[in-house]
Amino acid sequence: DTAVSQTPKYLVTQMGNDKSIKCEQNLGHDTMYWYKQDSKKFLKIMFSYNNKELIINETVPNRFSPKSPDKAHLNLHINSLELGDSAVYFCASSRSGWGETQYFGPGTRLLVL
Amino acid sequence: GESVGLHLPTLSVQEGDNSIINCAYSNSASDYFIWYKQESGKGPQFIIDIRSNMDKRQGQRVTVLLNKTVKHLSLQIAATQPGDSAVYFCAEKWSGGSNYKLTFGKGTLLTVNP
Repeated sequence: DTAVSQTPKYLVTQMGNDKSIKCEQNLGHDTMYWYKQDSKKFLKIMFSYNNKELIINETVPNRFSPKSPDKAHLNLHINSLELGDSAVYFCASSRSGWGETQYFGPGTRLLVL
Repeated sequence: GESVGLHLPTLSVQEGDNSIINCAYSNSASDYFIWYKQESGKGPQFIIDIRSNMDKRQGQRVTVLLNKTVKHLSLQIAATQPGDSAVYFCAEKWSGGSNYKLTFGKGTLLTVNP
């Protein structure tokens, strides 16, 4: 029944490792997003895909690579993890990009040691 | 940089009182605004939205007011309940930019005292 789901919920890893976070939405939406929320709760968009096409790339380091195998999934792969990557990562989706409400997943809490 | 900000980072109210959370935005081209509620350990949850051709919109116990003259947005919560305790974010979309992109404000922590 979950509209936007993410796995894993928690991720603890060492610096230098490569990790992936997965996101799925069952709302039939065309557009999906990745956001990063820092320790001060500030939410910043990282990427957006519309029908598997990259629409937004907000000057995120190229260690971050989103992949959308279909419009219901948007995964985030992170190479060579750094301490500063520790944050909560949220996936979201919207019906389209045209002023539509975005629905958020529960978040993935990433801690890089 | 961010164009959306909040006057108060924290707000503490008594249960049953009305709450008002404020948000200032700097981009006069913004045409769509949303308020989100984020409870501890959860993702942001949509509360209410408003388009720039309106100045007020009401939902269940919540009202959003938009003052385009001073670029100000507020969220009013009537009869605040302990379950309303959360961080509240305003977000804006501006018509000149990507229609897919929302810019979020810094958030206000609302604490409801029983």
